Amino acid sequence: DTGVSQDPRHKITKRGQNVTFRCDPISEHNRLYWYRQTLGQGPEFLTYFQNEAQLEKSRLLSDRFSAERPKGSFSTLEIQRTEQGDSAMYLCASSPGGFYGYTFGSGTRLTVV
Amino acid sequence: GQSLEQPSEVTAVEGAIVQINCTYQTSGFYGLSWYQQHDGGAPTFLSYNALDGLEETGRFSSFLSRSDSYGYLLLQELQMKDSASYFCAVYRRDNAGKSTFGDGTTLTVKP
Repeated sequence: DTGVSQDPRHKITKRGQNVTFRCDPISEHNRLYWYRQTLGQGPEFLTYFQNEAQLEKSRLLSDRFSAERPKGSFSTLEIQRTEQGDSAMYLCASSPGGFYGYTFGSGTRLTVV
Repeated sequence: GQSLEQPSEVTAVEGAIVQINCTYQTSGFYGLSWYQQHDGGAPTFLSYNALDGLEETGRFSSFLSRSDSYGYLLLQELQMKDSASYFCAVYRRDNAGKSTFGDGTTLTVKP
């Protein structure tokens, strides 16, 4: 297994546009997480899947954000009507059942101009 | 709510030992994790403590005191490549695997 893959690595978009990111977790991991990280801060939780079920979504997340994990495999995170405040690194992580620590992907750096 | 505190910066010399502290306030505490992140890279899992005491993994050790709501990461025989940010993260019993991260400690290792 090559670890957690995220695509694209970088995305520059104009304010108001929609963007979609993809995450491919480690195949045997049933848990998948999306986090957001800004400069000088730790990762901030966005949402979490166990298999295909989205079990939790941060209260800080506006309705412009949506995530899916069809068939419990890869996941997508969509941001609609992007704002400059959405500029951040979006990190995907996966873990097996129980808690053994996350394996993070390299992230997608979003810049909204 | 939850809060974690760790020093923002630590500097040490190559070959030395450094300790990065983390204090936390959270209900339903279950465990404390540590991650390393190099500039431009992804966080990498280092260790996890659910019980009081010291966990050792090579040059890195992590300690937890549940009664003091305190933990630390100990790095021995520092190398230049250890220069990175280090994050502690708490895992709550009811969070189904979700972690809350501190803001990180930037470690600079000097020759």
